[in-house]
Amino acid sequence: EDQVTQSPEALRLQEGESSSLNCSYTVSGLRGLFWYRQDPGKGPEFLFTLYSAGEEKEKERLKATLTKKESFLHITAPKPEDSATYLCAVQDRGSTLGRLYFGRGTQLTVWP
Amino acid sequence: DTAVSQTPKYLVTQMGNDKSIKCEQNLGHDTMYWYKQDSKKFLKIMFSYNNKELIINETVPNRFSPKSPDKAHLNLHINSLELGDSAVYFCASSQGLAGGYEQFFGPGTRLTVL
Repeated sequence: EDQVTQSPEALRLQEGESSSLNCSYTVSGLRGLFWYRQDPGKGPEFLFTLYSAGEEKEKERLKATLTKKESFLHITAPKPEDSATYLCAVQDRGSTLGRLYFGRGTQLTVWP
Repeated sequence: DTAVSQTPKYLVTQMGNDKSIKCEQNLGHDTMYWYKQDSKKFLKIMFSYNNKELIINETVPNRFSPKSPDKAHLNLHINSLELGDSAVYFCASSQGLAGGYEQFFGPGTRLTVL
């Protein structure tokens, strides 16, 4: 059973069209939830860590939020350079320390 | 300065060969990891080391053997390569194991087994 489910699998937005990506998770206890961005041919680039429900973090056009069951990555007025695959991962307090469970990602395309 | 580096970036080899991938981090982190990303882009952990001690050893064929000569280096040796080993392998590091520290990834090594 997947611990992390991301939706949608793919999302196409026009430049300036705001939207949200979803990451739902199933863990015995959340140690941390992580968002990464991955460009083609590159390694995942760290964006945010969220630790507890109600927490929010922002970086430029991106804002990540967390509830007890899911996280959202809100993208406000996206630009073509925001096109990438966005990965969500969780650390479970019930698992071996350091183990990250990744979702399968949302491939975002922003067209001009 | 590159935080987590891997060599080589591309590796093309024949079935049955033995190959190694090297990883180095200059972040001063205690923990390092190896991940495999399959053709569907799914990232899955293979191994982790903390202060040169093996912590996570996922269900990986024993043809895969990690080695950590020091805290800054984690290498991956693969014996008797098979077609199914073709994937992108990522090294990562984090400050430690506890505390929910973020992991920083290298650029990846694309392994193609012919």
